[in-house]
Amino acid sequence: SQTIHQWPATLVQPVGSPLSLECTVEGTSNPNLYWYRQAAGRGLQLLFYSVGIGQISSEVPQNLSASRPQDRQFILSSKKLLLSDSGFYLCAWSVQPSNYGYTFGSGTRLTVV
Amino acid sequence: GENVEQHPSTLSVQEGDSAVIKCTYSDSASNYFPWYKQELGKRPQLIIDIRSNVGEKKDQRIAVTLNKTAKHFSLHITETQPEDSAVYFCAATFGNEKLTFGTGTRLTIIP
Repeated sequence: SQTIHQWPATLVQPVGSPLSLECTVEGTSNPNLYWYRQAAGRGLQLLFYSVGIGQISSEVPQNLSASRPQDRQFILSSKKLLLSDSGFYLCAWSVQPSNYGYTFGSGTRLTVV
Repeated sequence: GENVEQHPSTLSVQEGDSAVIKCTYSDSASNYFPWYKQELGKRPQLIIDIRSNVGEKKDQRIAVTLNKTAKHFSLHITETQPEDSAVYFCAATFGNEKLTFGTGTRLTIIP
C-alpha cells in the first residue's frame, strides 16, 4: 500500500534562517506531488506541484522554492524565512492524472519567530 | 480562471440534525469533485468523492450531489454526531494535474 512521509512535524525557526522540508512517498511510482500551506484557521493554498523529476510548477510567487530530485521525493526550501511563512505545510500525492483524491502527509507546523 | 466557492464558512447544527455544505466551480471541464474533512491540527482526509458522470453518491450518513449544468455540488451529512465537528473542504479538478480547494466550512455539532 502507498504511504506518504513528511518531516519534521513541528519546527520553530528565526526570521532569516533557511528552511528545508522533506516529503517522500512509498508504494507507487511517478506520482504527482504537491506542497500546500495553510495559515491558522484558513484554507489550503497550493504552493508547488510536480508531475515528474525536475518538473516544478509554482502557483504563488514567494521566497519559497521546491525541488524533486527523485521520483518519490519532494522538498520545500527557503533561503531566508519571513514571519509570513509561518503556517501548516502539507505535502500530498496523487496518481496521474489527478482525477483521483489526494493523500496528504501529516504536515509540518512551522513557526517563524 | 480556476475558482471554487464554498458556503457557508461556518455552520452549527444540533446533534441529530442534517448539515449541508455547497460549492460552485468555474470550469465546465472539471470532472472530479472530492470532499475532505480536517480535524483540528490534523491532515485533511478524503471522505467522499463524485465524478461528472454521476449525479449522486452516498456512503452511510454522507452523500454528495452534483449538478453539472449549474456547476455546483453539495455535501449532505445526516443524523449528525459530535465527531462530525471539523472543517470540510470541497475541491474540483482543473486540468489533469491539480485540485483547487474551496475555502472551507467549519462545522460544529451542538450536543
